Amino acid sequence: DQQVKQNSPSLSVQEGRISILNCDYTNSMFDYFLWYKKYPAEGPTFLISISSIKDKNEDGRFTVFLNKSAKHLSLHIVPSQPGDSAVYFCAASARGANNLFFGTGTRLTVIP
Amino acid sequence: NAGVMQNPRHLVRRRGQEARLRCSPMKGHSHVYWYRQLPEEGLKFMVYLQKENIIDESGMPKERFSAEFPKEGPSILRIQQVVRGDSAAYFCASSPGGHYGYTFGSGTRLTVV
Repeated sequence: DQQVKQNSPSLSVQEGRISILNCDYTNSMFDYFLWYKKYPAEGPTFLISISSIKDKNEDGRFTVFLNKSAKHLSLHIVPSQPGDSAVYFCAASARGANNLFFGTGTRLTVIP
Repeated sequence: NAGVMQNPRHLVRRRGQEARLRCSPMKGHSHVYWYRQLPEEGLKFMVYLQKENIIDESGMPKERFSAEFPKEGPSILRIQQVVRGDSAAYFCASSPGGHYGYTFGSGTRLTVV
């Protein structure tokens, strides 16, 4: 049972444009959401997070939006840069839980 | 200020052999988490340990897999009698407390031949 879903395996965007990566979840107990970035042969690196009490969190070029009623979150990267090319994982956790639930990832390619 | 150190980076084992994966958490981190990533899938939680204690092993297969985090030394994920389906990337993460401040290691890629 995949509780966190990233339905787009890949995304290509021109440099300078906006990248929008989407994530859906099914468990209404999730109250904290994270985005990780992963380069080949490396571990995931934390990018940005959002608590369920918020609907937006911004950090530089990265903004995460949370729509609780739709059980949907998205990561916006503006402007996109070639160095942003990586696999992006959405993850979620429930209050009191010990682990994160990860999506299957979206491979972002930013074309120079 | 080394990050989470995992070794080996790559491990090849024949079916039936044992695999030992090691993880040294970041300095000051006493919480260790193991995740497995099968090809074309996301990371899946396996086990959560604190020093000398297994806190949550709900994601561990019931047989052949075990984990420890001794008082001294790294955390060890042990897979006995490996099978082809164990081929995956195994990631360790550590945190000072709770999972909000996870730092992941670079992973061990296990290949069973």
